[in-house]
This record gives sequence, C-alpha cells and structure tokens, in this order.
Amino acid sequence: QQPVQSPQAVILREGEDAVINCSSSKALYSVHWYRQKHGEAPIFLMILLKGGEQKGHDKISASFNEKKQQSSLYLTASQLSYSGTYFCGTVLTGTASKLTFGTGTRLQVTL
Amino acid sequence: NAGVTQTPKFQVLKTGQSMTLQCAQDMNHNSMYWYRQDPGMGLRLIYYSASEGTTDKGEVPNGYNVSRLNKREFSLRLESAAPSQTSVYFCASSDRAPHEQFFGPGTRLTVL
Repeated sequence: QQPVQSPQAVILREGEDAVINCSSSKALYSVHWYRQKHGEAPIFLMILLKGGEQKGHDKISASFNEKKQQSSLYLTASQLSYSGTYFCGTVLTGTASKLTFGTGTRLQVTL
Repeated sequence: NAGVTQTPKFQVLKTGQSMTLQCAQDMNHNSMYWYRQDPGMGLRLIYYSASEGTTDKGEVPNGYNVSRLNKREFSLRLESAAPSQTSVYFCASSDRAPHEQFFGPGTRLTVL
C-alpha cells in the first residue's frame, strides 16, 4: 500500500520554510525519509518509529503521528542544497522488511 | 569503502534478451534490496533479501529473478526483457530491516 505524499511539488525562495506530508491508510511501524537529487541515488535523512517521536537533522526535522498514520517533514530556512525530490517510505506493522515508497515531492529552492 | 556498487551503469537490450544486473556491498550488511524507479512512480521494491540465504518478493516481482550469491552480492536477472522493464534500477543494503538503506548509483536500462 503506497503512502500518499503532498504536495507533489513546491518552489521556495532561499530562507523559506516547507512542510511535506506523508500518510498511510494502514498501521505503520516506521516512516523513513530520503532525498534524491537529479541523476543520483536516494540519500537517507531519518527514520521515525511508532511512538510519535520527532527527529531532527540540521534544519530538517520530522514528526510521526502514530494515531493518524501520518508523518511530516519540516524544512526550515531552506538552502539551495535542499533542492531535490523527497520520498517518504513506510513499513507496515508486521512487515519489517518491506519499505514502500511514496511517489515523491519535488522541492526547488531558488535565490 | 566503496559502499554499494552496481554494474553495469547503462544497458540497452532488445526485447526477449536476457541479462543480469550485479550488486555488491562492502559494509557487511545483512539485508539487500532491488528497486526500480520510473518517472512519477517513486521507487518500487522488486525483490529483497532480509538475510543471506533468503529472498522474498516485493511489489513488482513479475519478470525478474534474484540470487543472493553470498552476504556481499545480490543479483537481479531479467530472463526475457520487455519494453515495460525500461527503468532505472537501484540496489540498496541495510544492516538489517527496516534500518537506513544505502543505495547504489543505479543502472539505467532501456529495452527496445
């Protein structure tokens, strides 16, 4: 069951903030976030396990609402280097090995 | 450390031809994965190997076979290539599922 990401695309000016959402219709064990630049491999950002924790990585943080089966990725004071496509991946409860990715959110940061 | 390596980087096949995509990791990871990426579709899991000696189907296994040759290597075989298999193929590994996955550089495959 592929998670749903929103928005599909967003354009920001440098220094602005953005939120990318990821939701599932099934019970989640964990949510994973990756960023991929054009022509490159995806790079891991963070994992959130059920329990509603919030994590941070530089100025990028994420939350996981276990009750709503939703996760949000927060990018604050965006930099040009944040440009790329962001994917959330979900692991359903009881399927520990299978990571299912959403279709991605394309983020472009401009001057 | 090279991380995850994939060969070849590019390949063009004719419909019906067969080929094997090779993947190797030098991080002593237990789990390995094969994904395909098509425009607008994100990454879709083809097959995975949670540990040496085991393989399981992912979301889109039809038309593919895999072999976990040893702990380091995980190959993906297309027995009879079809144009629908034109895609970018990524191999990934993790110390165990569902931890951080490290991706290889990808193989861009075109089937004519």
